[in-house]
Amino acid sequence: RKEVEQDPGPFNVPEGATVAFNCTYSNSASQSFFWYRQDCRKEPKLLMSVYSSGNEDGRFTAQLNRASQYISLLIRDSKLSDSATYLCVVNPSTGGFKTIFGAGTRLFVKA
Amino acid sequence: EAGVVQSPRYKIIEKKQPVAFWCNPISGHNTLYWYLQNLGQGPELLIRYENEEAVDDSQLPKDRFSAERLKGVDSTLKIQPAELGDSAVYLCASSSGGLNEQFFGPGTRLTVL
Repeated sequence: RKEVEQDPGPFNVPEGATVAFNCTYSNSASQSFFWYRQDCRKEPKLLMSVYSSGNEDGRFTAQLNRASQYISLLIRDSKLSDSATYLCVVNPSTGGFKTIFGAGTRLFVKA
Repeated sequence: EAGVVQSPRYKIIEKKQPVAFWCNPISGHNTLYWYLQNLGQGPELLIRYENEEAVDDSQLPKDRFSAERLKGVDSTLKIQPAELGDSAVYLCASSSGGLNEQFFGPGTRLTVL
């Protein structure tokens, strides 16, 4: 089993739709979690951190479920500009800060 | 403020040749990372530096890859000799601490023929 797993997609949704991605992780001692966004042939950029209590930033909501060991990203009112690959990132607590990226979930938002 | 700078942006070499990539992190960022990213995959950590010390190089193929960050600022990643399977994007990132946001450079796209 991979340490961090994501559904590769692609998710094809119309503008205005709500879409959700999940990311599962295997190390129950993992400390910190993030969602990064990567546009085609560009570098990853931080979208948002994921806090234990859940957090929201505009149309984006991130949640952490420690019992089931997954994080989620919800995008409401999808825009064409949301089309990208969404990478989840996990920092396990053992062995220092070893950042692990998921393979990413591709999202296409269509007009 | 300047972001993470990498050079070259593109490199095409023949197998068995050496190649080097350079990275200048954001000013003041003590933590520097080198990643490898293959098409359709997430970045995979090769090495992490805290200042000039390599604190995690467990994923670095040491038979052919080497890295240095002599003065705790910019860094160089080298491959010698390159193999066909090394073709990928090599990303450099920096952060102000191990659990903080990482800022990525534009990457170096390596093609080994």
